[in-house]
Amino acid sequence: AQSVTQLDSQVPVFEEAPVELRCNYSSSVSVYLFWYVQYPNQGLQLLLKYLSGSTLVESINGFEAEFNKSQTSFHLRKPSVHISDTAEYFCAVTMDSSYKLIFGSGTRLLVRP
Amino acid sequence: DAGVIQSPRHEVTEMGQEVTLRCKPISGHDYLFWYRQTMMRGLELLIYFNNNVPIDDSGMPEDRFSAKMPNASFSTLKIQPSEPRDSAVYFCASTSGSEQFFGPGTRLTVL
Repeated sequence: AQSVTQLDSQVPVFEEAPVELRCNYSSSVSVYLFWYVQYPNQGLQLLLKYLSGSTLVESINGFEAEFNKSQTSFHLRKPSVHISDTAEYFCAVTMDSSYKLIFGSGTRLLVRP
Repeated sequence: DAGVIQSPRHEVTEMGQEVTLRCKPISGHDYLFWYRQTMMRGLELLIYFNNNVPIDDSGMPEDRFSAKMPNASFSTLKIQPSEPRDSAVYFCASTSGSEQFFGPGTRLTVL
């Protein structure tokens, strides 16, 4: 069975500092990996995804994530965060032949001035 | 496109009442998902449809919950009778590929 682990429930960081949000998954088959972001009182929005090809994927607002098959990880990073990045971030996984997403428990990123 | 539309955005009801949540997926999407989000349990997949047919309802918590998709542009999630522990935010999402598009959610409070 697939599962996703986000070990950090909350990550406080100062504005303009770098941040890494950790995500590990377990699956016996090939997977697609996703990061979704949820701003307060809103639905989830796709931040970035890994389907195949380059293991480093980037979003339009400066986030990046690297798929590491040997460590079964898909950590999210940003070199310099902004106040507006404060949100909850969810890592998710699905198998090749299914659109059913398995979500991690989420990490709340709190950016302080 | 207006995105995934959910109604109502907020619902407050009393224990024992029937609650119906509605979802209009993005036109052309052939998969529709219903999720529940709570502080205790996080995001849970309740049920999903492909071409209006329920594929996996293993996440539906109990018989009080039911979902239908009578056509490609409309789905409902019904709780009858509702209980306080059903209080949560319910999301609908749709897709025709790898990316799921989420609606804004319905915040349900059962008193």
